[in-house]
Amino acid sequence: KQEVTQIPAALSVPEGENLVLNCSFTDSAIYNLQWFRQDPGKGLTSLLLIQSSQREQTSGRLNASLDKSSGRSTLYIAASQPGDSATYLCAVRWEWATSGTYKYIFGTGTRLKVLA
Amino acid sequence: NAGVTQTPKFQVLKTGQSMTLQCAQDMNHEYMSWYRQDPGMGLRLIHYSVGAGITDQGEVPNGYNVSRSTTEDFPLRLLSAAPSQTSVYFCASSYSGNSYNSPLHFGNGTRLTVT
Repeated sequence: KQEVTQIPAALSVPEGENLVLNCSFTDSAIYNLQWFRQDPGKGLTSLLLIQSSQREQTSGRLNASLDKSSGRSTLYIAASQPGDSATYLCAVRWEWATSGTYKYIFGTGTRLKVLA
Repeated sequence: NAGVTQTPKFQVLKTGQSMTLQCAQDMNHEYMSWYRQDPGMGLRLIHYSVGAGITDQGEVPNGYNVSRSTTEDFPLRLLSAAPSQTSVYFCASSYSGNSYNSPLHFGNGTRLTVT
């Protein structure tokens, strides 16, 4: 069964700190992995997508890495700001070539609070 | 492009009532899916579809029906609402196929309360 886990569930850090959010998945035969941000009461905003053949992706202060063999991805946020406070979710796409089907499974998210 | 459009934004139902949550996308995405989000549970996959006429069950399909008669639309039906179905529902879509690595696009969600 494909499962995605995110630890910790919540994180509180002072402004300016560099931080790492973790995402683990049970089946290493992934197609891609995506990181999202969700503000309270809002929808999901895509941050980064890593293809299965890639090791990392960067966008501004965000860097996402992927290690398929260990079933892990990390989201690195540099020089955190209060505006980074949100819930961060990862989603893994698995697909099955024989049936032509695929699906995305989400982790439970990490709720981040950056203190001014 | 409007992206992924969900209606309604809010809905209150009484136990036993039925209703349909609408989802439409104008990006010609083959893949469409429904998730529910409950506090502390992340997003759980209800049903998904990889193309018109094809649907499959996700992690929590009980109490929900779907159909995919067109590429654009993927409605979610609650046949007999229960308080346990009180949640925020999100529709998401993406391209499929080996030549794409398209991000998953989300609608703004429907907040459903069943009393």
